[in-house]
Amino acid sequence: SQQGEEDPQALSIQEGENATMNCSYKTSINNLQWYRQNSGRGLVHLILIRSNEREKHSGRLRVTLDTSKKSSSLLITASRAADTASYFCATDFFGNEKLTFGTGTRLTIIP
Amino acid sequence: DAMVIQNPRYQVTQFGKPVTLSCSQTLNHNVMYWYQQKSSQAPKLLFHYYDKDFNNEADTPDNFQSRRPNTSFCFLDIRSPGLGDAAMYLCATSRGTVSYEQYFGPGTRLTVT
Repeated sequence: SQQGEEDPQALSIQEGENATMNCSYKTSINNLQWYRQNSGRGLVHLILIRSNEREKHSGRLRVTLDTSKKSSSLLITASRAADTASYFCATDFFGNEKLTFGTGTRLTIIP
Repeated sequence: DAMVIQNPRYQVTQFGKPVTLSCSQTLNHNVMYWYQQKSSQAPKLLFHYYDKDFNNEADTPDNFQSRRPNTSFCFLDIRSPGLGDAAMYLCATSRGTVSYEQYFGPGTRLTVT
């Protein structure tokens, strides 16, 4: 399976702390994207990082990509209660146009 | 605001009774996707349209069909729902299929009784 795997499966932290979640994948990618999903809702795109990029920032989000290790991380700084959600990485691979989602990390921010 | 709309948000159907879920978009995107997501799992792509070009995933059951009558609308038909088809169904759009972000609707929660 080309599906990415995310680690940890679940994470609980205090509000104000930083949250880090990781994504590993198996084959060479074109791009890697991160999405957020609030409970029972659709997904919201957060960041897209291309295979020739190593780091991207968006507000309190920082994404890194290490293609040699086939892994990516999402860092959320100064977490807020509203960050409570599931976070999915998604990749598209050379020769495969569809987006394949990882298993997700369930993040809970404790007020 | 440009967006992806799904109707209904909640659908209850009986075992074996056909059901249709709808999706509309105001983004004028070329690509529309249907995903199935079961509890605590990753979204699973069922099929997608690039304009009128239909692309079915190899493991999508024949029980699932789709129609895209125009750029704005796309429908998911489940011909004979089984208990295993109970899930969240997510519609998404994008400008293209490679290197583009996808915009998701809020989803339709399907219950099969």
